[in-house]
Amino acid sequence: DGGITQSPKYLFRKEGQNVTLSCEQNLNHDAMYWYRQDPGQGLRLIYYSQIVNDFQKGDIAEGYSVSREKKESFPLTVTSAQKNPTAFYLCASSRPQSRGASGNTIYFGEGSWLTVV
Amino acid sequence: EDQVTQSPEALRLQEGESSSLNCSYTVSGLRGLFWYRQDPGKGPEFLFTLYSAGEEKEKERLKATLTKKESFLHITAPKPEDSATYLCAVTPMRGNTPLVFGKGTRLSVIA
Repeated sequence: DGGITQSPKYLFRKEGQNVTLSCEQNLNHDAMYWYRQDPGQGLRLIYYSQIVNDFQKGDIAEGYSVSREKKESFPLTVTSAQKNPTAFYLCASSRPQSRGASGNTIYFGEGSWLTVV
Repeated sequence: EDQVTQSPEALRLQEGESSSLNCSYTVSGLRGLFWYRQDPGKGPEFLFTLYSAGEEKEKERLKATLTKKESFLHITAPKPEDSATYLCAVTPMRGNTPLVFGKGTRLSVIA
């Protein structure tokens, strides 16, 4: 089945560690996104990528890094510079907006929980 | 700045008690407005996209409508399985800008 796969579902990070969250999609979507969700809060955009080898910062990019070497993959690294990383992380993908109004519906993965221990 | 405000923050309904959720938006030209359903601990599930004022879309007990300033998600005769957080998001007309989300309405339907 086509979809977006995030792993791991649960991840624990020690102080000072970098951790990487995986996101893979087989929907043949060009655009991919990372959002952060805190309890009782909306989704906040961390990074997004409209095409391979290119990405842009979102509203809360500090302390995070990404890469987009393949169309299917958009991993997110939470670095030690992110002081409050405990949250629910959501990866998403879409066809680019340039392909018409119907092309920009964003579809989400099941999310990854990151906890600092 | 593009903004989305959802109300109420939480809503508790008896089974069969119809109601509406509100999504007010401020955006420099609306390309599309989206509704999602999110169950606890899961990723949001896409429900509807609306593009122009006056447009309506339906799915089972849900109907989404759109005006120039807001959207409503009407829930008719809800059931306990409709309990979830409902998220509204907009994408502006300019450039390739990702969705801007509201904080959601947490709906509880009691049997």
